[in-house]
Amino acid sequence: QVQLVQSGAEVKKPGASVKVSCKASGYTFTGYYMHWVRQAPGQGLEWMGRINPNSGGTNYAQKFQGRVTMTRDTSISTAYMELSRLRSDDTAVYYCARENPYSPGFDYWGQGTLVTVSS
Amino acid sequence: QSALTQPASVSGSPGQSITISCTGTSSDVGSYNLVSWYQQHPGKAPKLMIYEGSKRPSGVSNRFSGSKSGNTASLTISGLQAEDEADYYCCSYAGSSTFYVFGTGTKVTVL
Repeated sequence: QVQLVQSGAEVKKPGASVKVSCKASGYTFTGYYMHWVRQAPGQGLEWMGRINPNSGGTNYAQKFQGRVTMTRDTSISTAYMELSRLRSDDTAVYYCARENPYSPGFDYWGQGTLVTVSS
Repeated sequence: QSALTQPASVSGSPGQSITISCTGTSSDVGSYNLVSWYQQHPGKAPKLMIYEGSKRPSGVSNRFSGSKSGNTASLTISGLQAEDEADYYCCSYAGSSTFYVFGTGTKVTVL
């Protein structure tokens, strides 16, 4: 069965960076785009970007350009999202989500990783 | 790119039908048949309910249906049940510059 398992909660100081991992299993990792979506406390979903695990190609939301880097390690079927120059308003739950090209939508999601930015 | 506009809340009694709207622009909802809908219970990850505007993934109840007219997509829940109480988000592809945009979210309450 398809599973996306994310790394644990993080607490960071303003200005620092955070790197969240998303380990995929139960399917061919390189066959499906991986997206990152975040949700601030009590707020809605926000699309951050995506990575093509096959090529490593990325697309980022304009809001995060220059601060976000998405990478992958195909040998361990894991995607990563690194966000730099953290601010307090980056406090959120960060999700990875698989895009199904055959039924376009985010069909599997990780459990979420809470990133808290506080001095 | 602004978020797609959804009503903040919608409510209904058990057994009733409700509809959630998702209004975008000609650059997103109006241009692509790539609207998806997600259900999110408190503290849980979102769940895909509808893709390509009106298609249901395997395992999703046929009480959920989607449609689109112009720049507005809609999600209808028929035969409302207590377990349908959750937040619902639409999402649309918005072209090769913006890529994806989510809706503002709608809280569904079962009275």
